[in-house]
Amino acid sequence: DGGITQSPKYLFRKEGQNVTLSCEQNLNHDAMYWYRQDPGQGLRLIYYSQIVNDFQKGDIAEGYSVSREKKESFPLTVTSAQKNPTAFYLCASSSRTVLSGANVLTFGAGSRLTVL
Amino acid sequence: AQKVTQAQTEISVVEKEDVTLDCVYETRDTTYYLFWYKQPPSGELVFLIRRNSFDEQNEISGRYSWNFQKSTSSFNFTITASQVVDSAVYFCAPGDLYNNNDMRFGAGTRLTVKP
Repeated sequence: DGGITQSPKYLFRKEGQNVTLSCEQNLNHDAMYWYRQDPGQGLRLIYYSQIVNDFQKGDIAEGYSVSREKKESFPLTVTSAQKNPTAFYLCASSSRTVLSGANVLTFGAGSRLTVL
Repeated sequence: AQKVTQAQTEISVVEKEDVTLDCVYETRDTTYYLFWYKQPPSGELVFLIRRNSFDEQNEISGRYSWNFQKSTSSFNFTITASQVVDSAVYFCAPGDLYNNNDMRFGAGTRLTVKP
């Protein structure tokens, strides 16, 4: 079955440590996205990538970094510079077929990061 | 950029009641898409509907229906005869017609359906 796999599902980190969240998709989607979800604040866009080897900052990119070396993979690193990293992180992907316009996002099950 | 307001933070109903989730959006685009997503307790958002701003006809899918009023920039979602499995957080999101970079989600409405 096609879909998005995020790992780990739960992650604990000590302050000052970097941590990398994995996101892999087998949907052959060109575009991939990372969102952060905090209680009562909905989803906020961290980074997005429309094509391999290219990515753009979203609304809250500070303290985060990404890479897009393969079409299937879009890992997110939460660095020690992120002041309040405890949150639920969601990865999503979509196709970029121009004719079909703004395409449906397919989401992973999320990764919950807790900083101790 | 798009902006959306979901004024209802939490709603609680008893099973079989009808419930409407409100969504008011802002966009500078003349044509755009509107989306609703459902986030069950498992955490994964699930797509429910995409509506093109050209089409103001209401849509019904089983117990779900959507009322799009372009004049008031609203795209409300009604669940008829709610069930416990409808308990989730529901997100409304306006989107650009050609890419998803500008999609912005509302804060969501948490719906609890009690048996």
